[in-house]
Amino acid sequence: DSGVTQTPKHLITATGQRVTLRCSPRSGDLSVYWYQQSLDQGLQFLIHYYNGEERAKGNILERFSAQQFPDLHSELNLSSLELGDSALYFCASSPSFSTNEKLFFGSGTQLSVL
Amino acid sequence: QKEVEQDPGPLSVPEGAIVSLNCTYSNSAFQYFMWYRQYSRKGPELLMYTYSSGNKEDGRFTAQVDKSSKYISLFIRDSQPSDSATYLCAMGMDSSYKLIFGSGTRLLVRP
Repeated sequence: DSGVTQTPKHLITATGQRVTLRCSPRSGDLSVYWYQQSLDQGLQFLIHYYNGEERAKGNILERFSAQQFPDLHSELNLSSLELGDSALYFCASSPSFSTNEKLFFGSGTQLSVL
Repeated sequence: QKEVEQDPGPLSVPEGAIVSLNCTYSNSAFQYFMWYRQYSRKGPELLMYTYSSGNKEDGRFTAQVDKSSKYISLFIRDSQPSDSATYLCAMGMDSSYKLIFGSGTRLLVRP
């Protein structure tokens, strides 16, 4: 168990809908990263938050947004969902904000858009 | 061209074999090199972490980094069926906040 908690584990929804994925980092970790994993694209970096502030953006669509709350949990909001958004979404945490640190991944949320 | 290339496999070997997994990359600025193991429907977990060039050994696992060739490897000795998983290489540098992952190599160790 990595100590990173993601909910829900599975989510099935329809095109055009909006969903929220939740992540609780390991105790003491200040950084939260979101990644998307699909069969054809591999693990793609979406966004990074450190202690409540956005630090870096990757290949995140404008329909997607995220935030990190004062208690350090994070939420990833996906709106106007399309079939192509179906993927595994992972959250990872680390103690600070440096990429030379080990990332601890949650078990992911499997999103299916029908 | 992707920044990090990794053969997707699958790679099937008998139990006890030595496994070699590899990644090539194009960005010479990468300084940190990692290998993650991912079981089906689980999150990746860090296996090996190397800074700059050289070798690192941990039990049955050895990671090698050759920066001159932009090539990294993970060797698994005495492979076990429990090693069956997808192995992802990942790379990072101080000037960037994100890790770049390879697409993963699926490994199957047959009993």
